[in-house]
Amino acid sequence: DAGITQSPRHKVTETGTPVTLRCHQTENHRYMYWYRQDPGHGLRLIHYSYGVKDTDKGEVSDGYSVSRSKTEDFLLTLESATSSQTSVYFCAIGKGGARTGELFFGEGSRLTVL
Amino acid sequence: DQQVKQNSPSLSVQEGRISILNCDYTNSMFDYFLWYKKYPAEGPTFLISISSIKDKNEDGRFTVFLNKSAKHLSLHIVPSQPGDSAVYFCAASGLGDTDKLIFGTGTRLQVFP
Repeated sequence: DAGITQSPRHKVTETGTPVTLRCHQTENHRYMYWYRQDPGHGLRLIHYSYGVKDTDKGEVSDGYSVSRSKTEDFLLTLESATSSQTSVYFCAIGKGGARTGELFFGEGSRLTVL
Repeated sequence: DQQVKQNSPSLSVQEGRISILNCDYTNSMFDYFLWYKKYPAEGPTFLISISSIKDKNEDGRFTVFLNKSAKHLSLHIVPSQPGDSAVYFCAASGLGDTDKLIFGTGTRLQVFP
């Protein structure tokens, strides 16, 4: 199994509060991704990183920010959580990005915003 | 706007028969396609991929077919097994935006005895 862990695995929070999800890898892969999974929408890309301090937006980046200060950690922040951000969030890592092969996913972080 | 679509949310197949999962895409710049499988409470795992220079790729019981003119790909599982019951996502990446992997909405496959 790829060395990728997400924390927290479950979180319940209230509307308007900040939330940070952490993705940690031990594989030293260059690429890291954040996706959210919702019924009827599948997996949607939020943000991704192609190196330390190098990030870019995905399909649904509004309301989210990311940071990558170290190769092994990729943080997803919801500055002010809304109920529409209730979802399961998956982090993924890839050695060479989307075109060189598969991505390895974490087990997901379930976020509920009340 | 969904660039990768899986129009069948669910599929039920008897064990031993063929499962065919379909995927359509709208972005003509996509040229690399993958299928992922996802079990409940787990992250997706890679299954098989295909480049646009091919029209077929096979790996054991799994075969992916690509029809570029129709912007359509399909995953065939033969023979289907109960352990194949999962949600299947197709995904695509494209020229000029090669770092991004865009996923479809998923199809839930159930293989019954």
